[in-house]
Amino acid sequence: ETGVTQTPRHLVMGMTNKKSLKCEQHLGHNAMYWYKQSAKKPLELMFVYNFKEQTENNSVPSRFSPECPNSSHLFLHLHTLQPEDSALYLCASSQVPRGRNQPQHFGDGTRLSIL
Amino acid sequence: EDQVTQSPEALRLQEGESSSLNCSYTVSGLRGLFWYRQDPGKGPEFLFTLYSAGEEKEKERLKATLTKKESFLHITAPKPEDSATYLCAVQALLNYGGSQGNLIFGKGTKLSVKP
Repeated sequence: ETGVTQTPRHLVMGMTNKKSLKCEQHLGHNAMYWYKQSAKKPLELMFVYNFKEQTENNSVPSRFSPECPNSSHLFLHLHTLQPEDSALYLCASSQVPRGRNQPQHFGDGTRLSIL
Repeated sequence: EDQVTQSPEALRLQEGESSSLNCSYTVSGLRGLFWYRQDPGKGPEFLFTLYSAGEEKEKERLKATLTKKESFLHITAPKPEDSATYLCAVQALLNYGGSQGNLIFGKGTKLSVKP
């Protein structure tokens, strides 16, 4: 496989459920990101991991919990979500630059629906 | 505050009718400006990176240009397969502005090309 792979592609869950989103990158990158994409809104950065260390948490509610066990895998653990959390969740990876910046490459996302 | 505004929100073209999409940005120090294409149900696909005013990049029917305040994505003789949402994002220099070097996205322009 190449690129950035996200599973599952679709997820429907109740507000009391616990589930996890998975992301795997095959690009040899050392940084990974979670974004939330809602209709009519720009992509919102949620978490950043550089070299497996979390470097950014953009005031994301604690019901979202990221995990980065190695530079190729990223998880987003979900629990007690709210209806407004329904959105497309995108994972991206990039090479943390020493020189000019390298672009982020995205997976196809997980479409999450909260009942 | 770092900010990106894209216009128009939606654009309908006839096949072969050339046009331009606009991305206006405010950033304390620009590290890079990125253009992405996003098809329905897919993640954003990287198109171009521009680093400094006056720079231009081309790919097939697309040409991206950059000034100190905005970027344009010119589409020459578009085809129906160019229909997608086009996203613009800027990255500020590290420690400039509030975005800490992360990507700031616009809301996108949804392009529809009719045969």
